[in-house]
Amino acid sequence: EVQLVESGGGLVQPGGSLRLSCAASGFTFSSYSMNWVRQAPGKGLEWISYISSSNSPIYYADSVKGRFTISRDNAKNSLYLQMNSLRAEDTAVYYCARRLAVAAYHYFDSWGQGTLVTVSS
Amino acid sequence: DIQMTQSPSSLSASVGDRVTITCRTSQSISNYLNWYQQRPGKVPSLLIYAASSLQSGVPSRFSGSGSGTDFTLTISSLQPEDFATYYCQQSYSTPQTFGQGTKVEIK
Repeated sequence: EVQLVESGGGLVQPGGSLRLSCAASGFTFSSYSMNWVRQAPGKGLEWISYISSSNSPIYYADSVKGRFTISRDNAKNSLYLQMNSLRAEDTAVYYCARRLAVAAYHYFDSWGQGTLVTVSS
Repeated sequence: DIQMTQSPSSLSASVGDRVTITCRTSQSISNYLNWYQQRPGKVPSLLIYAASSLQSGVPSRFSGSGSGTDFTLTISSLQPEDFATYYCQQSYSTPQTFGQGTKVEIK
């Protein structure tokens, strides 16, 4: 069974940093590209970052570019999101999501339970 | 970036009703369109990919159609467990934008 478990969320002051982790199990992690998707309280889903199975390419949403860094450790079956210069508008539940590709089509077929990041003084 | 517009933003329906949700994109995306369901307090889950392909395990009352810029998600006979928020997402280009969501509520 595919499992994705996020951790590392919490309360942080504006301008602060936080590192999220996503532990993967039940599948060959190194064969899949991964994503981070966030959801502000009461709001919709926002894709924020992608990393391929081999660490390149990497993409970011404009809203986090230059502040967030996605990375992975295939030996540890783990995905990370380093978040710097945090703002109040970064407050959200952060999900890691596996991207599955079928022919030319791709979609997020497995999601973690999410970890809440609250940016507030 | 490709803009996604869902309509309606919310709707009220009864068990057994046929429900249709529309997603419109700001440019043609062929059929690179996915639909997700998010029940209250739960994690999003995939319903349909490639505009009309049903994800394994998803009930057949869900169907998707469309190509280009206009897409629909149809629930043929609404069940109690279908009361949720539905999101479309394009996978044609990065960023893989989501629609704003359509909340299906109990009438």
